[in-house]
Amino acid sequence: GAVVSQHPSRVICKSGTSVKIECRSLDFQATTMFWYRQFPKQSLMLMATSNEGSKATYEQGVEKDKFLINHASLTLSTLTVTSAHPEDSSFYICSARDVLGFTDTQYFGPGTRLTVL
Amino acid sequence: SQQGEEDPQALSIQEGENATMNCSYKTSINNLQWYRQNSGRGLVHLILIRSNEREKHSGRLRVTLDTSKKSSSLLITASRAADTASYFCATDERAGGGADGLTFGKGTHLIIQP
Repeated sequence: GAVVSQHPSRVICKSGTSVKIECRSLDFQATTMFWYRQFPKQSLMLMATSNEGSKATYEQGVEKDKFLINHASLTLSTLTVTSAHPEDSSFYICSARDVLGFTDTQYFGPGTRLTVL
Repeated sequence: SQQGEEDPQALSIQEGENATMNCSYKTSINNLQWYRQNSGRGLVHLILIRSNEREKHSGRLRVTLDTSKKSSSLLITASRAADTASYFCATDERAGGGADGLTFGKGTHLIIQP
């Protein structure tokens, strides 16, 4: 099956620093990737849609200047949490859809746990 | 906004029993998917059912979809301890179908007692 990786899997940083999270589709190409956030014991909430070669589309309430998304290639999207604060501590998960796939299945990465001190 | 709603929120059963989880949604969909998430881990895709399908099977999993009631159920038969996880339904309720992000339900935390 299709594999999506994320790096790092876990990161701890000080308040005010920026953190970059990578999402890669390993064996397929994805023109569109999605970024979700999951707080403890809660469900996933879509943050933004990352489009290869164009600007990301953000969900209502998600600050685009705080969560910078870059989709530089068909296999890589990055999410940068700028000036992170403790309330940004969460589990960040990306997903990707195979452009050549015949289904609407989205393949999820293993997630990145961000802890901001 | 969160549209999918699962019930129950938590379910504890004995190994070998069947587990049924339900999911409801609010607007029209093209498809509905079920995912499993082990504690602190990523999501594992279980099954996708399209809006023109009523039932689908995959191994010990059986999913039904009732578009008139805007609801779906996931049945896990002959449960095993390894089935302990959180289960989420997700829909493509946004316009554009699969080109858009998914709307997840709140999830059902399933515990299988050995």
